[in-house]
Amino acid sequence: DAGITQSPRHKVTETGTPVTLRCHQTENHRYMYWYRQDPGHGLRLIHYSYGVKDTDKGEVSDGYSVSRSKTEDFLLTLESATSSQTSVYFCAISRPGGSDEQYFGPGTRLTVT
Amino acid sequence: GDSVTQMEGPVTLSEEAFLTINCTYTATGYPSLFWYVQYPGEGLQLLLKATKADDKGSNKGFEATYRKETTSFHLEKGSVQVSDSAVYFCAPGGGSLAGNNRKLIWGLGTSLAVNP
Repeated sequence: DAGITQSPRHKVTETGTPVTLRCHQTENHRYMYWYRQDPGHGLRLIHYSYGVKDTDKGEVSDGYSVSRSKTEDFLLTLESATSSQTSVYFCAISRPGGSDEQYFGPGTRLTVT
Repeated sequence: GDSVTQMEGPVTLSEEAFLTINCTYTATGYPSLFWYVQYPGEGLQLLLKATKADDKGSNKGFEATYRKETTSFHLEKGSVQVSDSAVYFCAPGGGSLAGNNRKLIWGLGTSLAVNP
């Protein structure tokens, strides 16, 4: 199994508060991704990173920011959480030069009340 | 744009039945193709992959063949078990392999329930 951990695994927060989710990898892979998974929507890409300090937006980036100050960590921040951001968040990694498969973390279940 | 279409679920089968989950896609060039599986309460796991036309990916009794002419990558298993109950995702690679745009295209997934 790829060495990917996510923290916290579960979080309940109130509307309007900032929230940061952490993804940590031990594989030294260059690419990292944040997704959200919601019933009826499948997986949707929020942001991704192709190197330290190199990030780009995905299809549902509004209300989210990311940072990657070192290879192993990719942080997702909800600037001001809203109930529509209640979801399960997955981090994934992949390496260049391969066939683009991604390896996923266990997920973080976030509830915004 | 790039997209993937999977058969809608839920699919309900009896144990030892034959499984087919259809997947067709549109993508730039000839991407690698993947099937992922998500068991209840867990993250996604790579089930199998194929990287070029006519390749057959296989794992845990599941198979899928890269069909360039029909842009399809149907998942099959000859005899399903209760433990195969999960959600299955077909995911072609999207974007240019030469750039930083290395993403997968995700469908909605197909839920499979296998009854004893």
